[in-house]
Amino acid sequence: GAVVSQHPSRVICKSGTSVKIECRSLDFQATTMFWYRQFPKKSLMLMATSNEGSKATYEQGVEKDKFLINHASLTLSTLTVTSAHPEDSSFYICSASRDRGTEAFFGQGTRLTVV
Amino acid sequence: GESVGLHLPTLSVQEGDNSIINCAYSNSASDYFIWYKQESGKGPQFIIDIRSNMDKRQGQRVTVLLNKTVKHLSLQIAATQPGDSAVYFCAENIPFNKFYFGSGTKLNVKP
Repeated sequence: GAVVSQHPSRVICKSGTSVKIECRSLDFQATTMFWYRQFPKKSLMLMATSNEGSKATYEQGVEKDKFLINHASLTLSTLTVTSAHPEDSSFYICSASRDRGTEAFFGQGTRLTVV
Repeated sequence: GESVGLHLPTLSVQEGDNSIINCAYSNSASDYFIWYKQESGKGPQFIIDIRSNMDKRQGQRVTVLLNKTVKHLSLQIAATQPGDSAVYFCAENIPFNKFYFGSGTKLNVKP
């Protein structure tokens, strides 16, 4: 399968600061990238869908200004958690797919802890 | 959407037995489905997929069944091994290319 790399794998930040998470497709061009959030022992919750070169589509209840998504190229998408609070602590996972309606490959996830 | 409830449902099986994990999906317009395996602290790993024009697909030791009438998916794992212990999610792809995850099932394989 294709490889999706997510960085960093773990990050601890102070309340009020911003954190950027990168998602890269290493061996394919990703038309679409997805960002998910996962709480302990829960399923993955889709936050937003981003297509290269266009604005991300956010799911209902997800704050656009809080979770900034940039899909600047076919191999890179970034999620920036702005003005982080302890309740933003979670496991964030990205995935990427080559084309619409094709399998999505996942990164290894980022454990964000806000103190 | 987001799962509800405090804990993931757990399926315990004996090593060597067959496992069946079920999933109900929500959108009748979904046309593509994937089963993922997730180990603790890691991202989901692709297992097998199926499109809505099929009702069965087989892989190595795994079979996915799709019943569109009742919006139900199942994952069958033959000769379950300790390495199969993980949380399993189904994901549905709705038109316009969004993947939503089911609530997940924890598979516990007893040696």
